[in-house]
Amino acid sequence: QEKVQQSPESLIVPEGAMSSLNCTFSNSASQSIWWYQQHPGKGPEALISIFSNGNKKEGRLTVYLNRASLHVSLHIRDSQPSDSAVYLCAVSMSNYNVLYFGSGTKLTVEP
Amino acid sequence: NAGVIQTPRHKVTGKGQEATLWCEPISGHSAVFWYRQTIVQGLEFLTYFRNQAPIDDSGMPKERFSAQMPNQSHSTLKIQSTQPQDSAVYLCASSLEDRGGERLFFGHGTKLSVL
Repeated sequence: QEKVQQSPESLIVPEGAMSSLNCTFSNSASQSIWWYQQHPGKGPEALISIFSNGNKKEGRLTVYLNRASLHVSLHIRDSQPSDSAVYLCAVSMSNYNVLYFGSGTKLTVEP
Repeated sequence: NAGVIQTPRHKVTGKGQEATLWCEPISGHSAVFWYRQTIVQGLEFLTYFRNQAPIDDSGMPKERFSAQMPNQSHSTLKIQSTQPQDSAVYLCASSLEDRGGERLFFGHGTKLSVL
């Protein structure tokens, strides 16, 4: 089973700032890495995924993956109060689609 | 598309009673997953089905928990003799296929409270 750890536990940033979230995983053979967003009372919603070393950009989101250091990060440019939520890092180990989740980072964007 | 539908949204049971949770996956999705979410443990994988067949139940507590998928339009998670430590939000998710890298679509979850 994959071990996924996230930091920080909580993050408070002002509106317009960059938010940076970190995730480490235990196995370099992990197939895919996802970031999910979860609002209170709702299920997680997929934001962005990455499979290969390097970075991937979608809108205000950029994700960086370094398999050698078992580290992935998510950066949210121009953070908005609507971005306030819990962000979950998830990793799948094999060709199957079972995702193992970290404990999350609670992001608060203050107006 | 209504997304993944879970019922009920909230369920309260007394200790020792049975609880059945329902999930309707997105039409056309072949894989269905069950997860449990608590403050302490976070989001834990329980079990999953591919084309209605059980594939991996490695996360399921061996006693009292069972899951079924009798047809492609719904899955159930049954907990017998519920205990206070079973209190959690139970989340169902589906994906188009179960090969690695597929996006999971989650329902809103069923919040189970065992008194």
